[in-house]
Amino acid sequence: AQKVTQAQTEISVVEKEDVTLDCVYETRDTTYYLFWYKQPPSGELVFLIRRNSFDEQNEISGRYSWNFQKSTSSFNFTITASQVVDSAVYFCAPSPANQAGTALIFGKGTTLSVSS
Amino acid sequence: NAGVTQTPKFRVLKTGQSMTLLCAQDMNHEYMYWYRQDPGMGLRLIHYSVGEGTTAKGEVPDGYNVSRLKKQNFLLGLESAAPSQTSVYFCASILRLAGGVGEQFFGPGTRLTVL
Repeated sequence: AQKVTQAQTEISVVEKEDVTLDCVYETRDTTYYLFWYKQPPSGELVFLIRRNSFDEQNEISGRYSWNFQKSTSSFNFTITASQVVDSAVYFCAPSPANQAGTALIFGKGTTLSVSS
Repeated sequence: NAGVTQTPKFRVLKTGQSMTLLCAQDMNHEYMYWYRQDPGMGLRLIHYSVGEGTTAKGEVPDGYNVSRLKKQNFLLGLESAAPSQTSVYFCASILRLAGGVGEQFFGPGTRLTVL
């Protein structure tokens, strides 16, 4: 069974600070996917990234970047120069790749508060 | 292209009442899911479906039933609502790709309160 740990329950930063959200997962699958979702105060779930376990390259998208370390089972998310609009709950979610259904396994999330 | 839609958006039930939540997707996705989200928690899988006419239990299936009679629709039923089922319910669908699966698309959620 898969499991994900987001050890940081809440993080508070001031605008323009960089912030890293940690994600550690457990899986016995050799092939899997890793996702990050954002849930702003309005409640919807916003897709941020999907990463295949075979692809260990780090990824950058604007102010967002992801550091995938398969050796330590971590998939950390960094926001550079944070903004108030980044305030949300962020979920890391692994998903097995070779099982029917491939549901996401959600962690409890990290609540990020960015103040001006 | 509306993506994933959920009906209704809000509902208040009394203990023992029944209701059905409707999820519809227009992306021709094969896989569909129902999750619930409780305060301070991530999403937990209730039931899922890998295709029309098939359903399977997830992590927290008790008290719920589902049906997938049409590929685009996934219904979640509560036969006898209980206060413990007060939650926000999310539906999701996913496109099956040759190399695996793509992004999981989520509906806007249904906020259900059981008194």
